[in-house]
Amino acid sequence: EAQVTQNPRYLITVTGKKLTVTCSQNMNHEYMSWYRQDPGLGLRQIYYSMNVEVTDKGDVPEGYKVSRKEKRNFPLILESPSPNQTSLYFCASSFKGARGRPQETQYFGPGTRLLVL
Amino acid sequence: GESVGLHLPTLSVQEGDNSIINCAYSNSASDYFIWYKQESGKGPQFIIDIRSNMDKRQGQRVTVLLNKTVKHLSLQIAATQPGDSAVYFCAENWSVGNEKLTFGTGTRLTIIP
Repeated sequence: EAQVTQNPRYLITVTGKKLTVTCSQNMNHEYMSWYRQDPGLGLRQIYYSMNVEVTDKGDVPEGYKVSRKEKRNFPLILESPSPNQTSLYFCASSFKGARGRPQETQYFGPGTRLLVL
Repeated sequence: GESVGLHLPTLSVQEGDNSIINCAYSNSASDYFIWYKQESGKGPQFIIDIRSNMDKRQGQRVTVLLNKTVKHLSLQIAATQPGDSAVYFCAENWSVGNEKLTFGTGTRLTIIP
């Protein structure tokens, strides 16, 4: 089954304790992306990756890191989490579109709800 | 700054009626738009997209209309069903080579039985 998986689905942590949220896709997609979703703000892009070893900042990258060592995995790293990073996080992936747009038919994971105390 | 917004945060529609969800965008350079549906506890799901060289595109029970003159996008859902209850997001993208996708804040659609 084609899918994007995220782990963990729920996480409670404390300020400053490093954490990693994993994302994996089994569709051989080139493009992967991380979003955070907050009430009243919709989805905001954190980082994206066009292919292995190619990553770039989205709209809200501060406080986050990513890596893309393999095509299927795109982990999100919070080196020193803070309460303002409490949010619902989504990973997404897609093929590059016909005109080079990776957004077409983007598949989203189930989400990771993070609470930073 | 540029933003994508929605006129109504909530919309209630009688089952079987048609629904229209609106979206205003402010970046005149945007040339690709997507509608997503997000059900409770799930990630967004692609519904339909449209490029700026089109005014209308139809899918199964859904139609997207694009009015570039007033920078307005709408999603029409025909004969709404209980399974249509969800939050709907519009998103915009501009220029080939720009991989960023900007989302609106969402409209919650509730279907009344």
